[in-house]
Amino acid sequence: EAQVTQNPRYLITVTGKKLTVTCSQNMNHEYMSWYRQDPGLGLRQIYYSMNVEVTDKGDVPEGYKVSRKEKRNFPLILESPSPNQTSLYFCASSSGLAGVETQYFGPGTRLLVL
Amino acid sequence: AQSVTQLGSHVSVSEGALVLLRCNYSSSVPPYLFWYVQYPNQGLQLLLKYTSAATLVKGINDFEAEFKKSETSFHLTKPSAHMSDAAEYFCAVSDLGEGSNYKLTFGKGTLLTVNP
Repeated sequence: EAQVTQNPRYLITVTGKKLTVTCSQNMNHEYMSWYRQDPGLGLRQIYYSMNVEVTDKGDVPEGYKVSRKEKRNFPLILESPSPNQTSLYFCASSSGLAGVETQYFGPGTRLLVL
Repeated sequence: AQSVTQLGSHVSVSEGALVLLRCNYSSSVPPYLFWYVQYPNQGLQLLLKYTSAATLVKGINDFEAEFKKSETSFHLTKPSAHMSDAAEYFCAVSDLGEGSNYKLTFGKGTLLTVNP
């Protein structure tokens, strides 16, 4: 089954404690993105990757890092989480550019930073 | 940068009634336009997309949307609402961001409630 998986699905942490949210896709997609969803704001792109070792900032990259060492994996790293990073996070992948091709979304990771 | 406006953050309809969710976009070039649906506690999934092939686009679950360039609109409709249509709906427009980031810009979403 074609899918995007994220782990963990729910996470409660404290300010400053580094965390990683994993994302994996089994569709051999080149393009992957991370979004955050906040009430009344829709989805905003955090980072994206056009292929292995190629990553770049989206609209709201501050406080986040990513890496793309393998085609299937695109982890999101919060080195020093703060309460304003409490949000619902989605990873997505597509066969081409996100503005052109259908994006396939993971189930989401709900993060609470205390 | 492009923008998307979804009129009405919450729309409520009765089961069997017409569903109309409004979306207006700003784009200086012919865009790609998308409608995504998010069911409770799930990720987003594609309902339909417009890629300039035909102005009336049909999607899954009997949804359709019409691209109207003169009105810069891409409203989503369904003739008869079903209880299972209750979800949040997002309109999105292709957006050539910085560098080579041809990305999606999403609207803020419309929550559809279907009453029995």
